[in-house]
Amino acid sequence: QQKVQQSPESLIVPEGAMTSLNCTFSDSASQYFAWYRQHSGKAPKALMSIFSNGEKEEGRFTIHLNKASLHFSLHIRDSQPSDSALYLCAVSHNTGNYKYVFGAGTRLKVIA
Amino acid sequence: EAAVTQSPRNKVAVTGGKVTLSCNQTNNHNNMYWYRQDTGHGLRLIHYSYGAGSTEKGDIPDGYKASRPSQENFSLILELATPSQTSVYFCASGDTSNSDYTFGSGTRLLVI
Repeated sequence: QQKVQQSPESLIVPEGAMTSLNCTFSDSASQYFAWYRQHSGKAPKALMSIFSNGEKEEGRFTIHLNKASLHFSLHIRDSQPSDSALYLCAVSHNTGNYKYVFGAGTRLKVIA
Repeated sequence: EAAVTQSPRNKVAVTGGKVTLSCNQTNNHNNMYWYRQDTGHGLRLIHYSYGAGSTEKGDIPDGYKASRPSQENFSLILELATPSQTSVYFCASGDTSNSDYTFGSGTRLLVI
């Protein structure tokens, strides 16, 4: 069964800093990789996703994927207090009928 | 606007009682999912469905049943609720053409 682990469990960074969040997975046949963000008391919302090795950038957010290392990461440039949230990584074995296994999350706090 | 609506938002149930959590989506998505979220575990998949009339077991199905009577509706049923089922339950919808899930706002269930 797929195991998805995140590190660190929690993180406090100053406003303007670069934040790096990590996710490892166990199934080398995994096809799709995503990050979700969940503000306190709210529903998780899709942030970014990737399916091929390499890097994808959207605004201040960048995903890196290395399938051989069973690792992907999320980097937040110029972190803002509004980025404070629980970040969940998710891995799907399938594309099409996606069925995500989520990590336990990294709780990020950005201090002004 | 496409949405996923869960009801009730909060529920207190007694041990041994029957609980039904409801989910309705207006996204016209084929796929629907039930997850529970507990501190330290992230989101864990209970049941999912790829269309009306179908349900599949997720990673932690024991003690839960699911029902998908229509494209729009997906219910999670706890026939004999136990205190270990105290959690926050999230419903999500998704489709083959888009890797992103849309989550509902969650149902907070307390079993006493």
